[in-house]
Amino acid sequence: KNQVEQSPQSLIILEGKNCTLQCNYTVSPFSNLRWYKQDTGRGPVSLTIMTFSENTKSNGRYTATLDADTKQSSLHITASQLSDSASYICVVITNTGGFKTIFGAGTRLFVKA
Amino acid sequence: NAGVTQTPKFQVLKTGQSMTLQCAQDMNHNSMYWYRQDPGMGLRLIYYSASEGTTDKGEVPNGYNVSRLNKREFSLRLESAAPSQTSVYFCASSAVAGVHEQFFGPGTRLTVL
Repeated sequence: KNQVEQSPQSLIILEGKNCTLQCNYTVSPFSNLRWYKQDTGRGPVSLTIMTFSENTKSNGRYTATLDADTKQSSLHITASQLSDSASYICVVITNTGGFKTIFGAGTRLFVKA
Repeated sequence: NAGVTQTPKFQVLKTGQSMTLQCAQDMNHNSMYWYRQDPGMGLRLIYYSASEGTTDKGEVPNGYNVSRLNKREFSLRLESAAPSQTSVYFCASSAVAGVHEQFFGPGTRLTVL
């Protein structure tokens, strides 16, 4: 069964600290993996998209990694800011004659001053 | 550019009532999508339109119908609302389905009593 699991479910960190969010997937065949940021009451916003051949991609203070062999991805946030408080969603795309999008439940990040 | 816009922002319905959620994008994207998001769960795809003139079922299509009115507009209709359809509904668009990043609208919060 195609699944995307994220951990932890929620996380509290102090402003200025780094953190890493995890995403494990069982989706096959794999097309690409995406990380989205969703602020409370808003729609998700894309952070990164990675294909099979990419193992690292950065977007400012956000760095995503992908290990297609172990089917794991991580999102590292450097020098966190209060505005990083949001849900972070891992999404895996599979394409078997028609694409399918599998969303993780998200990690809720709280950054405290 | 407004990106993806959705109307209404909030709606309360009684069981059995019907309504249409409107979505429009001004990015000249080919593909458009409707999702629902329930607490503690990932976004789930209801319907999508890979290109103007085509629509396909997603993961949870029962109780919904869609219309791709033109390249810009994609509407979602609830013919006979049920309490199980209480959710936040997001519309999204992308240049090409399954390949490019999706841009999300602000969402419609629907309550069915």
